[in-house]
Amino acid sequence: AQSVSQHNHHVILSEAASLELGCNYSYGGTVNLFWYVQYPGQHLQLLLKYFSGDPLVKGIKGFEAEFIKSKFSFNLRKPSVQWSDTAEYFCAVKGGNKLVFGAGTILRVKS
Amino acid sequence: NAGVTQTPKFQVLKTGQSMTLQCAQDMNHEYMSWYRQDPGMGLRLIHYSVGAGITDQGEVPNGYNVSRSTTEDFPLRLLSAAPSQTSVYFCASSYWTGKERELFFGEGSRLTVL
Repeated sequence: AQSVSQHNHHVILSEAASLELGCNYSYGGTVNLFWYVQYPGQHLQLLLKYFSGDPLVKGIKGFEAEFIKSKFSFNLRKPSVQWSDTAEYFCAVKGGNKLVFGAGTILRVKS
Repeated sequence: NAGVTQTPKFQVLKTGQSMTLQCAQDMNHEYMSWYRQDPGMGLRLIHYSVGAGITDQGEVPNGYNVSRSTTEDFPLRLLSAAPSQTSVYFCASSYWTGKERELFFGEGSRLTVL
């Protein structure tokens, strides 16, 4: 069965700082990879996804992620965060029939 | 096009009571699933279905039942509620065949078991 590990549970950044959230997974077969965001009081929304092709994926709101197959990683990045990026971020991996989520990383951006 | 609709949005139960969380989608998605979200634990898969008449267990299925009699509906039943089932529950659906299998989420159902 697959599992997902997100390295940091809480991250605090100042506006304009760069962001990188780590995500590693374990699964032996072909995977689809996702990052979801949950703003306070809202449901999950898709930030970006990787199915195949270019391992550098660009999503909404200036986010991007890079799939490194040899490292089983799918880290999320943003060059310059804004106060409105304050949210919880979830990495998810689909292998076989199941989509499994990481425990989430709470990002707080100080203005 | 309503997307994924969950009801109720809030529910308070007493230990031992049963209830059903409803989930409906109007996107003709084959795949439907239920997750629970607890602080510090992310979303954990309870049950999922890849089509009408087909269901399977996820990571935390105990205490929950599901059925999939139609493509549109995927209700989650709590047979005898326990305080450990206090959580926020999300239903999600996606296409199953083809490339684009992004999950679409409902707005969540917050359940408190006293």
